[in-house]
Amino acid sequence: DGGITQSPKYLFRKEGQNVTLSCEQNLNHDAMYWYRQDPGQGLRLIYYSQIVNDFQKGDIAEGYSVSREKKESFPLTVTSAQKNPTAFYLCASSIRETQYFGPGTRLLVL
Amino acid sequence: EDKVVQSPLSLVVHEGDTVTLNCSYEVTNFRSLLWYKQEKKAPTFLFMLTSSGIEKKSGRLSSILDKKELSSILNITATQTGDSAIYLCAVVTGSTGANSKLTFGKGITLSVRP
Repeated sequence: DGGITQSPKYLFRKEGQNVTLSCEQNLNHDAMYWYRQDPGQGLRLIYYSQIVNDFQKGDIAEGYSVSREKKESFPLTVTSAQKNPTAFYLCASSIRETQYFGPGTRLLVL
Repeated sequence: EDKVVQSPLSLVVHEGDTVTLNCSYEVTNFRSLLWYKQEKKAPTFLFMLTSSGIEKKSGRLSSILDKKELSSILNITATQTGDSAIYLCAVVTGSTGANSKLTFGKGITLSVRP
């Protein structure tokens, strides 16, 4: 079953804590992306990676970090420096221009 | 800075109505425009438009790009309650496929009442 998986579905973060969101794809796509979605804001790009071991900052990278050690995996860490992390996080992958999305992770702050 | 603007931001219609959703853009290195439908979770891909004036159709949905006006419309005819969703417009920019980037509009929330 090909696709993009994200886990967990819901994640709770305490003050000062780093949390990591998982994104895995078995579509053999080269490029992967992380977006944040807030109500009424659309999708905003956090980080993207076009190839293994390389990634670029998007429009709102501050307070986030990523790694791309394997083609299939692109985890996102929300650090304690991100002061307003409550949002819906979407991971996507693409082989050309069309991006396909995972089911998302909703991050809530305790 | 690349910009994508969708309008209206929300609308409510009744089943059977026809709706037109708008997307306009100001970007550099335009490559294509994408429409997505988002219900509860992940956006699902609807259309990709690259050439001006060529309509893409899928059932009751259709879309067309006007590169002169830097805009696109998404039409939904004979709307059903299952069409209720957020409709996202995104513009692909960049010099090559490997360096392409998507800029999203804020989305249009469509509610279809029985």
